[in-house]
Amino acid sequence: GQNIDQPTEMTATEGAIVQINCTYQTSGFNGLFWYQQHAGEAPTFLSYNVLDGLEEKGRFSSFLSRSKGYSYLLLKELQMKDSASYLCAVRDPSGGSYIPTFGRGTSLIVHP
Amino acid sequence: NAGVMQNPRHLVRRRGQEARLRCSPMKGHSHVYWYRQLPEEGLKFMVYLQKENIIDESGMPKERFSAEFPKEGPSILRIQQVVRGDSAAYFCASSKGHTNTGELFFGEGSRLTVL
Repeated sequence: GQNIDQPTEMTATEGAIVQINCTYQTSGFNGLFWYQQHAGEAPTFLSYNVLDGLEEKGRFSSFLSRSKGYSYLLLKELQMKDSASYLCAVRDPSGGSYIPTFGRGTSLIVHP
Repeated sequence: NAGVMQNPRHLVRRRGQEARLRCSPMKGHSHVYWYRQLPEEGLKFMVYLQKENIIDESGMPKERFSAEFPKEGPSILRIQQVVRGDSAAYFCASSKGHTNTGELFFGEGSRLTVL
């Protein structure tokens, strides 16, 4: 089976740093995605990790530890427009089809 | 370069009617995925298709739901005899490859409301 856990909601202050965690238990592993989704809009791709370590891309960074089944998304210099849902998804090849499975998402609220 | 196009964006149906949702993948993409999203929930995989083939439909209900991706034209998700529980946002995504390459690109979604 597959299980992907994220906090339901987080709040943070404009200009601050926030870390959104994701833990997973899957039969296999072939990469972890982070997506951003504003209310009523399409999810948009943020990052993809397949090897352990930190991937930095501007204000956003993503970390992966395969041995711990753990990832986090780090958002720096928060802006009001970062208020959105952040979705963690794991690609599991064990079923043969490599379909990304999504967590329930973390709703981030950035306040002034 | 147009992204993933879905239509209609909003669809209202009465119980027992049929709903047809269409998805045109990004140019150059031949892999299409359908996901369903209920309020306050994550994206739930339904079906994965390539041109003229259903590759994985493990997430799709066995009854009333069907999907196709013909050689010409968009992918279609069809829901027959809709019930109130079918009310949700249905997202289509596409990718160029499948196994270990690249991310999914999502459309804006089709929001189905069943009265």
